[in-house]
Amino acid sequence: NAGVTQTPKFRVLKTGQSMTLLCAQDMNHEYMYWYRQDPGMGLRLIHYSVGEGTTAKGEVPDGYNVSRLKKQNFLLGLESAAPSQTSVYFCASSTLWRGGYEQYFGPGTRLTVT
Amino acid sequence: AQSVTQLDSHVSVSEGTPVLLRCNYSSSYSPSLFWYVQHPNKGLQLLLKYTSAATLVKGINGFEAEFKKSETSFHLTKPSAHMSDAAEYFCVVSAPGGAKLVFGAGTILRVKS
Repeated sequence: NAGVTQTPKFRVLKTGQSMTLLCAQDMNHEYMYWYRQDPGMGLRLIHYSVGEGTTAKGEVPDGYNVSRLKKQNFLLGLESAAPSQTSVYFCASSTLWRGGYEQYFGPGTRLTVT
Repeated sequence: AQSVTQLDSHVSVSEGTPVLLRCNYSSSYSPSLFWYVQHPNKGLQLLLKYTSAATLVKGINGFEAEFKKSETSFHLTKPSAHMSDAAEYFCVVSAPGGAKLVFGAGTILRVKS
């Protein structure tokens, strides 16, 4: 049981390049999330998904797209990377527990855009 | 809407002394509350979570937090700090039954030997 995994762990992009971050979970969770973490700002929600084939915008969605074609995978895409997207990206998944959703996090992807 | 304020961006304690990390929340409803810990270059790990069952919540590694509705607070405490507790701690809130979490800005805990 690997939990939540993220690929790749590190990436350096040049401005304007595109890339896709992959998140996979093996806990059969319904919900999946993408966050970015910047110093002094905690984690901010980019996009999330409440089930296969559905996605929704979070707090900071601009410049990102997502897809959830399979329940266990959630992809985050950057079509034209900008230096402002330099950050650490975390994926999470969750399921309902006694009235709330406990989220399980992946190890993160450190992205640098030059 | 829910929001969280972590009152200290940095806290420094000596090993063996108590730890207090402060968190105030704002919520229109009775919220779900969490504390997560992040060690350097690692992902986030759940320390503890609040349900409506008990106001004093015990978590892993000797941490606990008390939900005080009258003060809208959910402070994290530990009686005796250990060097391995040095990390960043996040207070998190969600609406009851809500799938989205709102994170505080984080508190970096430094433990001096």
